[in-house]
Parts: sequence; structure tokens; C-alpha cells
Amino acid sequence: NAGVTQTPKFQVLKTGQSMTLQCAQDMNHEYMSWYRQDPGMGLRLIHYSVGAGITDQGEVPNGYNVSRSTTEDFPLRLLSAAPSQTSVYFCASSPQGSNQPQHFGDGTRLSIL
Amino acid sequence: AQSVTQLGSHVSVSEGALVLLRCNYSSSVPPYLFWYVQYPNQGLQLLLKYTSAATLVKGINGFEAEFKKSETSFHLTKPSAHMSDAAEYFCAVSAVYNFNKFYFGSGTKLNVKP
Repeated sequence: NAGVTQTPKFQVLKTGQSMTLQCAQDMNHEYMSWYRQDPGMGLRLIHYSVGAGITDQGEVPNGYNVSRSTTEDFPLRLLSAAPSQTSVYFCASSPQGSNQPQHFGDGTRLSIL
Repeated sequence: AQSVTQLGSHVSVSEGALVLLRCNYSSSVPPYLFWYVQYPNQGLQLLLKYTSAATLVKGINGFEAEFKKSETSFHLTKPSAHMSDAAEYFCAVSAVYNFNKFYFGSGTKLNVKP
């Protein structure tokens, strides 16, 4: 059982480049989300989705785009990378319903030069 | 809006000592509450979650947490620390009216001394 799979695990970009972080889950979870983790700031929600075709903004959405065409996949796009987007990015999924915990991927470590 | 405060970004205990990691939330209505653990270079794993069935919640690896509505707290404890408990711990709440939207505290790194 793979759970939540994130690719790539590491990436270095130059300022202004674009890229897509991939996230896939095989648990048929309706809810998926993207977080960034920075030292001393915990996890901050970037975007989330409550089902295929439905997305919404979290706390820190600027500079990121998402789409949800299938239940399994929830890619995160950086449109024009900036050094401030250097971070560790986590994808998570959970089933719909109250009090359901999230299942996390292992993260993508992204450096913007 | 929901928010979570974790007091102490770093906590150091001796092996065998009590572990106490603090979490306070702000919400006019008790939210759903969770504790997660993160080992180096890994994602977050669920330790325990609060359900309205009981104020004292038992989780994995001997951890437990007590929900105190009057203090808006959900502190994590373990009677006797083990070296393998060294990790970063996050308290999280889910929004009452959008329970699939989570808010995380800033985390507490637990160091266990031999």
C-alpha cells in the first residue's frame, strides 16, 4: 500500500523557472492538501481540494496553482519560482468526514537559487 | 479562524523522564484536535486524535493527551521518555465549520538525553 507518493524528493531551481510537484494517493481519499514547512513556522496550508474539480486557497496560496482532475492526483505548480519559495513541501490526503486525520507523503525539498 | 500555539520550540528531557509538550488552541467551539510526530526527513505520522467520547486520549508509542475545554489545551504527555521519541511534534486542529481544513502549530522538537 503506497499511501501518499510525492515526486520528486529533491529539486533545485533557478529564480523564474516553473515546475510541478506531483502528489498521488491510492486510498481513494476525497480530500487532499498541500503544505509548506519552514523552520519555526510549522506547516502552512497552500491549497486544498475536497474532491475532483474542486480546489480552494489556504493560508499562503500566492505563487502556486493547483488542479484536481482525478481523485488520485493533486499536482502543485510553481509558476515563476522565487527564493522565498525555498521550503519543504508536503502533500496530505484524508477521507471526507469530521475528525479524519491526514495521511502525509515524505515531502519534496525544494531550493530556489 | 482557528489557531494553534505550541509553547517551547525545543524541549529536552532525560531518558525515563516525563515528557510534556504543550498545545493551546483558539476557537469559540472545541475543534477537532490531533498530535502528529515527524522523524527526520519523513512526513508526519498521526500520534493520536481527540474525539468527544473521552477527554483523555491514548495514542501510539505510549503517548496520551488530555483535552481541557476550560483551558483550551490539548497537552501531550508520556510517562517515561525513550531515546526513540526524539522527533518533532506538531499539534493540529481542524476548522469546526470546514473540518477538512487543518491548522498546525509551529512544532516542538523533543531531545532525549541518555
